[in-house]
Amino acid sequence: EVQLVESGGGLVQPGGSLRLSCEASGFIFSNYWMSWVRQAPGKGLEWVANVKQDGNEKYYVDSVKGRFTISRDNAKNSLYLQMNSLRVEDTAVYYCARLEYITGRRGFDYWGQGTLVTVSS
Amino acid sequence: DIVMTQSPLSLPVTLGQPASISCRSSQSLVHSDGNTYLNWYQQRPGQSPRRLIYKVSNRDSGVPDRFSGSGSGTDFTLKISRVEAEDVGVYYCMQGTYWWTFGQGTKVEIK
Repeated sequence: EVQLVESGGGLVQPGGSLRLSCEASGFIFSNYWMSWVRQAPGKGLEWVANVKQDGNEKYYVDSVKGRFTISRDNAKNSLYLQMNSLRVEDTAVYYCARLEYITGRRGFDYWGQGTLVTVSS
Repeated sequence: DIVMTQSPLSLPVTLGQPASISCRSSQSLVHSDGNTYLNWYQQRPGQSPRRLIYKVSNRDSGVPDRFSGSGSGTDFTLKISRVEAEDVGVYYCMQGTYWWTFGQGTKVEIK
């Protein structure tokens, strides 16, 4: 059974930093692209970042470029999101998601339970 | 950037009756490889999203056959043939042809 378990969320002041983690199990982690998707309170879903299987390709939504860094450790079956220079508008539940990214199948097929990040003074 | 527009945003339905959600993209979702990467997700209250449909009309494993997806180009539809109580939640379309963008969501509730 595929499982994705996020951790690291919490309350942080504007301008602060936070590092999210996602531990994966139930599948061969190194075979998949991985992603972070967020959901502001009471709002819809927004893709944040993707990282390729080997960690050498990374993509970000424009609003987080230069502030967030996605990374992975395949030996630990773990995905990370380093968030710097946080803004109030970054407040959201952050989901770790497995990304299908092959011809014929493109989309997030498994999601974690999410971790809440609150940016407030 | 591709904009995904869903309608309606709120959908009260009677148990056992059909329901239909529309999703329109600001440009064609046909990829250069010939595929159309349009997915549908269900988010039940207090839960994470769950994918129901991929590539317009393909149901994910374990998804009841009362859910069906259709459409092409820029216009897509998710249909629930007979709504059950467990179908309450918010439904999102998402395109994966040009990066990844979601619709605003459609809240399905029981009348």
